[in-house]
Amino acid sequence: SQKIEQNSEALNIQEGKTATLTCNYTNYSPAYLQWYRQDPGRGPVFLLLIRENEKEKRKERLKVTFDTTLKQSLFHITASQPADSATYLCALSGGGYQKVTFGIGTKLQVIP
Amino acid sequence: EAGVAQSPRYKIIEKRQSVAFWCNPISGHATLYWYQQILGQGPKLLIQFQNNGVVDDSQLPKDRFSAERLKGVDSTLKIQPAKLEDSAVYLCASSLSSGDTYEQYFGPGTRLTVT
Repeated sequence: SQKIEQNSEALNIQEGKTATLTCNYTNYSPAYLQWYRQDPGRGPVFLLLIRENEKEKRKERLKVTFDTTLKQSLFHITASQPADSATYLCALSGGGYQKVTFGIGTKLQVIP
Repeated sequence: EAGVAQSPRYKIIEKRQSVAFWCNPISGHATLYWYQQILGQGPKLLIQFQNNGVVDDSQLPKDRFSAERLKGVDSTLKIQPAKLEDSAVYLCASSLSSGDTYEQYFGPGTRLTVT
């Protein structure tokens, strides 16, 4: 069955460093992959989308890579700030009208 | 631009009771989603509408859950009767069109506690 893996353990990093979060998947051929941010008590907020034919996408301090051979996406936050502390969700879809499947998310804590 | 609205924000009911949640998507968004998010897990799709037609309801427990989207705008999700394991946050999201994979905009969610 399709499986999405994100590190369920929290990631703690020092302010100013680069945070790298991992999303691995199996038994899946996603057409695209999305990253969302979720703060406690709130709904997820869309950050970035990357398609299967794209290797890398950037937006301000965020960078996403997508390796369909390794079946892995990496999400980077450079020059991290305490305000970046949140849970980050990876989401995949086969495209078209196929449903989006979310991972369990990784909690990031940026320490001042 | 107004975001996705949901109500109520919190609901506490006893098992076997019924409950309904309401969602108003962003104006012009054709696709509407209902997700269930259990504590410590990612959102799980319950049902996806394209305008007022159902695109995917494969993970909706149809013996107790029902949803409708009248006139392709607002939507309601109902649980009857509720079970303890239904305790979760119910998220509504909308997007311009799932056919071209637009990002989803989520509401604040309704936190349901079943006792």
